Amino acid sequence: GIQVEQSPPDLILQEGANSTLRCNFSDSVNNLQWFHQNPWGQLINLFYIPSGTKQNGRLSATTVATERYSLLYISSSQTTDSGVYFCAVRGSARQLTFGSGTQLTVLP
Amino acid sequence: DAGVIQSPRHEVTEMGQEVTLRCKPISGHNSLFWYRQTMMRGLELLIYFNNNVPIDDSGMPEDRFSAKMPNASFSTLKIQPSEPRDSAVYFCASSRIARNTGELFFGEGSRLTVL
Repeated sequence: GIQVEQSPPDLILQEGANSTLRCNFSDSVNNLQWFHQNPWGQLINLFYIPSGTKQNGRLSATTVATERYSLLYISSSQTTDSGVYFCAVRGSARQLTFGSGTQLTVLP
Repeated sequence: DAGVIQSPRHEVTEMGQEVTLRCKPISGHNSLFWYRQTMMRGLELLIYFNNNVPIDDSGMPEDRFSAKMPNASFSTLKIQPSEPRDSAVYFCASSRIARNTGELFFGEGSRLTVL
């Protein structure tokens, strides 16, 4: 099956800093999503982005499908951005395959 | 719009008891997924349904686990008998999938503790 690798596994930032999270995948995909799992365990949809670039406030994402990677940018980070960020992809199968996540901690 | 609704949010039970987790997908979605999340294994897909039909249950750990989707608006995941190693957060998710595309939305999860 398709392999998904996320980096870095852990990231600690001061409030106000910017960061880039990366997701590499091993095969062509029909679907790519970024999720944020907050400290309460909720999985929040950030982006549905099989290709191209999208922006939502301080967050933006870019997927370069031909090179099999996606990037999630967080600008001016806030403590509420803390949590785990997951990348998930769907190839030929119907189910999403999740990466192991990036644990982000934003310090005040 | 209501999202994916799961119940119960928390369940504490004793080993050997039957556990039933429930899920109502988003209206109009044709695919439903059950995931389990633990610290050791991360997010694992247990089973998914398309148009109420189970498509792939290869992730179901063993015969103690079963899942049903009697109609488009309801699904259950049952564990009988439960064991301490089943303790985890169980997520239900739904999607409107067409040509293998479609955004997935998660419920808030059911946190299961088996003593």
